[in-house]
Amino acid sequence: ETGVTQSPTHLIKTRGQQVTLRCSSQSGHNTVSWYQQALGQGPQFIFQYYREEENGRGNFPPRFSGLQFPNYSSELNVNALELDDSALYLCASSYTQGYNEQFFGPGTRLTVL
Amino acid sequence: GQNIDQPTEMTATEGAIVQINCTYQTSGFNGLFWYQQHAGEAPTFLSYNVLDGLEEKGRFSSFLSRSKGYSYLLLKELQMKDSASYLCAVRPRGNYGQNFVFGPGTRLSVLP
Repeated sequence: ETGVTQSPTHLIKTRGQQVTLRCSSQSGHNTVSWYQQALGQGPQFIFQYYREEENGRGNFPPRFSGLQFPNYSSELNVNALELDDSALYLCASSYTQGYNEQFFGPGTRLTVL
Repeated sequence: GQNIDQPTEMTATEGAIVQINCTYQTSGFNGLFWYQQHAGEAPTFLSYNVLDGLEEKGRFSSFLSRSKGYSYLLLKELQMKDSASYLCAVRPRGNYGQNFVFGPGTRLSVLP
């Protein structure tokens, strides 16, 4: 069974640029959630995708957008990067609704200069 | 609103027992999770409570009181590898997505 994978591991961008982060969900999981984790803080929910549609969104501006593909992998896109976007971006997959826990990927460390 | 509180840092000695508390105020409640996160790594699932009471899994136990909005994670026979951040997360009722509201995390240092 393959776990959740994310790419790239690290990324450095400058303010105003755009970035795309990628996530492959764990085998058998059809739901992907994205979180932003600033240094020393808990993860903050960005949005969730279920069967290729956005299925819930946290308090993040529209410049944070995403996609889910038929194989349930997902992308997080951030436009017009700001310095405060520097964080660890975590992807978590789960099997649809219910009480199942989310399985996290190793994250992408984004630095905005 | 959603608010989850945990102590920022705790220190304990190898072999000891430590209790990490979590209090929450959320717009609904559909389960409380504890995750462990080593520095620079992904959070890993430790425990889940949806009903009041104690859940035990080896050296780790988690307790929930829904009426008090309170949970704790109990770690027994501490080992050096237990040095990590411990995240309390609540899934509010009414959200059809599985998004969690995380607390700030408690950084535990285990000393020899």
